[in-house]
Amino acid sequence: GNSVTQMEGPVTLSEEAFLTINCTYTATGYPSLFWYVQYPGEGLQLLLKATKADDKGSNKGFEATYRKETTSFHLEKGSVQVSDSAVYFCAHNAGNNRKLIWGLGTSLAVNP
Amino acid sequence: NAGVTQTPKFQVLKTGQSMTLQCAQDMNHNSMYWYRQDPGMGLRLIYYSASEGTTDKGEVPNGYNVSRLNKREFSLRLESAAPSQTSVYFCASSGSPYGTSDPWGYSNQPQHFGDGTRLSIL
Repeated sequence: GNSVTQMEGPVTLSEEAFLTINCTYTATGYPSLFWYVQYPGEGLQLLLKATKADDKGSNKGFEATYRKETTSFHLEKGSVQVSDSAVYFCAHNAGNNRKLIWGLGTSLAVNP
Repeated sequence: NAGVTQTPKFQVLKTGQSMTLQCAQDMNHNSMYWYRQDPGMGLRLIYYSASEGTTDKGEVPNGYNVSRLNKREFSLRLESAAPSQTSVYFCASSGSPYGTSDPWGYSNQPQHFGDGTRLSIL
């Protein structure tokens, strides 16, 4: 079936630390992959996406590479800031389906 | 640029009461969605509408109804609220820049979310 598995949180880091949030997926077909971010009290917003194997999505210093061989889409950032504190969701669209398959989210807290 | 607008932002209901959550988008998107978000459960799809005039059940449709009033608006109704429906509700929309003439384009389009409705049922 179609699913997304993310590492459990909460993840707590100090400012300027390196961030990795793991995401693996199972999917039929060739899905697009997404990372969304949810800041406290807000809705989700798209952080980055990748539409085919080996694509790298990037935005605001975050990066993720679509790895078909390992079915992974890990989120990374070289130096986190306090303002990056949020919940991060990995998702895919299971091929050409309009619905998204969501991970459970990973909470990140960055301390000054 | 408003994007996706949800009303109300907060609501408290008593068990058995009914209410309708409103959602409107101004991006000319074909597809719209209703989710609920609960601690430890992530996002769960309640209903979605792939295009104007169509609606389909998601993972957790029981206790809810929806109406796609027009291309812009997609409402969620709780006919008889129960404490288990206490949650944060999000509306989202998505669409291909090429409209319905591009059946594959929608697969790469992100969903745009409203700020949510925080609903408590006592």
